[in-house]
Amino acid sequence: DAGVTQSPTHLIKTRGQQVTLRCSPISGHKSVSWYQQVLGQGPQFIFQYYEKEERGRGNFPDRFSARQFPNYSSELNVNALLLGDSALYLCASSDTGTANNEQFFGPGTRLTVL
Amino acid sequence: QKEVEQDPGPLSVPEGAIVSLNCTYSNSAFQYFMWYRQYSRKGPELLMYTYSSGNKEDGRFTAQVDKSSKYISLFIRDSQPSDSATYLCAMSPFGSARQLTFGSGTQLTVLP
Repeated sequence: DAGVTQSPTHLIKTRGQQVTLRCSPISGHKSVSWYQQVLGQGPQFIFQYYEKEERGRGNFPDRFSARQFPNYSSELNVNALLLGDSALYLCASSDTGTANNEQFFGPGTRLTVL
Repeated sequence: QKEVEQDPGPLSVPEGAIVSLNCTYSNSAFQYFMWYRQYSRKGPELLMYTYSSGNKEDGRFTAQVDKSSKYISLFIRDSQPSDSATYLCAMSPFGSARQLTFGSGTQLTVLP
């Protein structure tokens, strides 16, 4: 059974460019959350989506946006990239059909902004 | 002040030692408490999940939550070199269970 998958694995962009990161949740999971992990720090919550609707947003600028598709996969978009956006971007999925709220993380997309 | 504080280490112990990892938090609304293990350049892997106060044991791992002190712990018994990783505590309030607040992580090395 496949876990959470993310693409691409690595990405190099320059300042001012735009980037789109993709996530496919575990089969049957309807909730997807996005996190940013800067080197040496814990992940920081960016967005949560459930049934294609935004259910939560962390303290990130409007340059960050996301969406969820009917098949529950998700995209994270970052516009006008800054050097400080260099990080590991993690996607997590969870099964909202039960009381268990465990989240399962994908391997992440490592973004480098030059 | 961060909502979740975690000693970054690094922590180095000999194989077979008991390891104690801790986090403190300030938000009394936190109800769900988790420990994740993260190997270098990988995504976090869920180790332990507890709701509210109490203890939970799973093999060599024991998680403790003391909500009165706003303090959580993870104990690893008979530590192995394969336990070498960064350990992250995470927590969330009731109703926002999928919006986790993480500690900064403790880097653990178990020496053979």
